Amino acid sequence: NAGVMQNPRHLVRRRGQEARLRCSPMKGHSHVYWYRQLPEEGLKFMVYLQKENIIDESGMPKERFSAEFPKEGPSILRIQQVVRGDSAAYFCASSPTVDLYEQYFGPGTRLTVT
Amino acid sequence: DAKTTQPNSMESNEEEPVHLPCNHSTISGTDYIHWYRQLPSQGPEYVIHGLTSNVNNRMASLAIAEDRKSSTLILHRATLRDAAVYYCILRHATSGTYKYIFGTGTRLKVLA
Repeated sequence: NAGVMQNPRHLVRRRGQEARLRCSPMKGHSHVYWYRQLPEEGLKFMVYLQKENIIDESGMPKERFSAEFPKEGPSILRIQQVVRGDSAAYFCASSPTVDLYEQYFGPGTRLTVT
Repeated sequence: DAKTTQPNSMESNEEEPVHLPCNHSTISGTDYIHWYRQLPSQGPEYVIHGLTSNVNNRMASLAIAEDRKSSTLILHRATLRDAAVYYCILRHATSGTYKYIFGTGTRLKVLA
């Protein structure tokens, strides 16, 4: 059973470009969570999605960031008009139910904005 | 949101026990205490969790203070593969769902 997949693993964007980060949850998991990790810091919750629904986006910046989890295909975290401060590692996690005690994390996408 | 506080770093000798402390003085009654660890260049992985009682699993033990304002993760015999950043996390219930509130973590160094 494959784990949580994220791609790309590394992404370089110039300021002002768009970044698209993909997350394929584990098979049978319909709950996806996105986190951001700045250098030398812990992970910060961004958004929680179920299939086709955003459940909690309280950690998402109000502008430029959006997330989706369509009926078919991976979850996408989209950052428009990237700035240097967006450089970070972005992790997604999945779980089969909302109240399962364990979230399964992917390897992360490391975004560098030049 | 409730916060966790952990020492920035700790060292241990290989094959000795390690006690990783965590303070969460503003924990609410429904918050679970979770521990995850993050190996270099990887995503976090689950270690253990608990609510009020001490917990044991194949990886570690979790000792929770009676007032729940602190907890300790215990690795019984540290190995070199246990070198990682250990996060003490509160699983916070909000609006019918849950989210993890990560602390800054403790970087554990294991000495051969």
